[in-house]
Amino acid sequence: NAGVTQTPKFQVLKTGQSMTLQCAQDMNHEYMSWYRQDPGMGLRLIHYSVGAGITDQGEVPNGYNVSRSTTEDFPLRLLSAAPSQTSVYFCASRPVGGTQPQHFGDGTRLSIL
Amino acid sequence: GNSVTQMEGPVTLSEEAFLTINCTYTATGYPSLFWYVQYPGEGLQLLLKATKADDKGSNKGFEATYRKETTSFHLEKGSVQVSDSAVYFCALSVKGQGAQKLVFGQGTRLTINP
Repeated sequence: NAGVTQTPKFQVLKTGQSMTLQCAQDMNHEYMSWYRQDPGMGLRLIHYSVGAGITDQGEVPNGYNVSRSTTEDFPLRLLSAAPSQTSVYFCASRPVGGTQPQHFGDGTRLSIL
Repeated sequence: GNSVTQMEGPVTLSEEAFLTINCTYTATGYPSLFWYVQYPGEGLQLLLKATKADDKGSNKGFEATYRKETTSFHLEKGSVQVSDSAVYFCALSVKGQGAQKLVFGQGTRLTINP
C-alpha cells in the first residue's frame, strides 16, 4: 500500500530555475493539498484540490502553480525558484466527507541557491 | 480567523517521565482537533483526533481531551519512551470552511533521553 508518494526526496536549484514536485496517491482520495514546512512556523497550506479539474489557493500560494488532471496526481510547479522557497514540501490527501484525517507523503526537501 | 498555538520547544525529558504538550486554538466555527507526529526524515502521521467538545482522542499511550471552555487540546502521556522522540503538531480543521484545510501549530520537538 503506497499511500502518498512524493518525488524527488531532495533537490537543489539555482535561483530562476523551474521544477515540478510530483505527488501521487493510490487511495482514490478526492482531496489533495500541498504544504510547506519552515522552522518555527508549522505547516502552511500552498494550494489544494477537491477533485480532478478543481484547484484553489491556500495561505501561501505566490510563486507556485498546481493542476489536477487526474484523481491520483497533484504536481506542484515552481516557475522561477527563489531562495525564499527553500523549504520542505509535503503533499497530503484525504477522502471527502466527515473528519477524515489527511495522509501525508514523506516530503521533498528543496534548497534554492 | 483560525489559529493554533503550541507550547514552544524543544522539550527534553528522561525516559518514563510524564509528558504534557500544550495546545490552544481559536476558531470561527466548530473545529475538529488533531495531533500529528513527525519522526525524523518522515512525513506527518495522525496520532489522535477529537471531533467535538469533551471527546478524548487516544493512541499509543497518548491522550488529548477537546476542551471547548478553555479552547485547548493538550497532549499527554504518562510514561514516555525514547521512541517517542519526534516533532508533534497540533492542528485543526473546521467543517464547512474547507475541511481539507488543516491549520497547524508551529510544532514541538520532543527528545527523550534514556
